Amino acid sequence: GQQLNQSPQSMFIQEGEDVSMNCTSSSIFNTWLWYKQDPGEGPVLLIALYKAGELTSNGRLTAQFGITRKDSFLNISASIPSDVGIYFCAGHVETSGSRLTFGEGTQLTVNP
Amino acid sequence: DSGVTQTPKHLITATGQRVTLRCSPRSGDLSVYWYQQSLDQGLQFLIQYYNGEERAKGNILERFSAQQFPDLHSELNLSSLELGDSALYFCASSPGTAYGYTFGSGTRLTVV
Repeated sequence: GQQLNQSPQSMFIQEGEDVSMNCTSSSIFNTWLWYKQDPGEGPVLLIALYKAGELTSNGRLTAQFGITRKDSFLNISASIPSDVGIYFCAGHVETSGSRLTFGEGTQLTVNP
Repeated sequence: DSGVTQTPKHLITATGQRVTLRCSPRSGDLSVYWYQQSLDQGLQFLIQYYNGEERAKGNILERFSAQQFPDLHSELNLSSLELGDSALYFCASSPGTAYGYTFGSGTRLTVV
């Protein structure tokens, strides 16, 4: 089945630093999504990407849909303590109906 | 509050038992999805219902079953529970497409 390899698994950074994480797959996806999960909560959608090469921003977050359609990255600029959480990438292909394939997550810790 | 309500929030039960997890989707959403999140793992798709009908199935164990009722709420039934079934179980809903996923806060199941 489809698998997403997300890296890094965890990151420890200082407040104000920029962060970059990525997701790769051996399969092509039609849509890439990035979610954030806070402790005790469900994942919340941050950014959705629909076209290869697309670059989309949401405040301090920027994500790109790779040209090969097999990868995506998420950047967070000028990190703040509330950025702490687990970030998941997810991919979607039309042939899978509405199901999403999720990466294993990147645990982000921001030290004040 | 995401609008997706899951109950109970926590559940502790013994091996061999059966439990039912409940999900009320966001108002107007016809699709309900169930995902399992085990420790240190991403979210694994279990099953999707659309307007009362099963639409897609993932790697859901035969001991697990689900249904969506006429009022669109859904229940996930887990039976003959094993220690390895301990996980967070998330319900998500969408109007019918993959892009509008909204997750609930999850039910943390602990099997002892």
